[in-house]
Amino acid sequence: NAGVTQTPKFQVLKTGQSMTLQCAQDMNHEYMSWYRQDPGMGLRLIHYSVGAGITDQGEVPNGYNVSRSTTEDFPLRLLSAAPSQTSVYFCASSYGTNGAETQYFGPGTRLLVL
Amino acid sequence: AQSVTQLGSHVSVSEGALVLLRCNYSSSVPPYLFWYVQYPNQGLQLLLKYTTGATLVKGINGFEAEFKKSETSFHLTKPSAHMSDAAEYFCAVSALSNTGNQFYFGTGTSLTVIP
Repeated sequence: NAGVTQTPKFQVLKTGQSMTLQCAQDMNHEYMSWYRQDPGMGLRLIHYSVGAGITDQGEVPNGYNVSRSTTEDFPLRLLSAAPSQTSVYFCASSYGTNGAETQYFGPGTRLLVL
Repeated sequence: AQSVTQLGSHVSVSEGALVLLRCNYSSSVPPYLFWYVQYPNQGLQLLLKYTTGATLVKGINGFEAEFKKSETSFHLTKPSAHMSDAAEYFCAVSALSNTGNQFYFGTGTSLTVIP
């Protein structure tokens, strides 16, 4: 199994540009989520999904969109990038949705918005 | 609402010394508690977790943590630090709400091991 994969590994954007961060998992996990990691702030939940077709907002959803059309994929879209979105983004997945399961994290995407 | 507080953003210990990383949580419902470790330029991986049952939880690499409900704490310990333990450690809490389960992470503690 490849586990959780994320692409790209690194991206530079200009303010106002849009892009999609890709996340895929091959473990047939129901729960998938996106976090951003900023110095001194830990990981903050952006959006999550408990299954195909079901998504919900986390702590910091503004400026980000998600959709979940398949069990495997959970892309994160930045519609109009801002410097405040410079961060490291992690995708994670877990088998169940009751909150007790281990989350498996991808390697991260480093995003720089100029 | 759930939240996690990690006391000490940086902890240094000598090789062979006790490691103690502190975590306190707040939760309006019985929590599930986790410790994750992050090595440089990598994603997070699970060290251990508490869901139900025994309050002393053992994890990988010799780490353990004890859930103390009365103190709302879930401190991480290891009797003898190894150089390979140098990493960032995150405590997290999860609780099921009517909108689904969400995970809340602490701000992290960077562990340095001095030879």
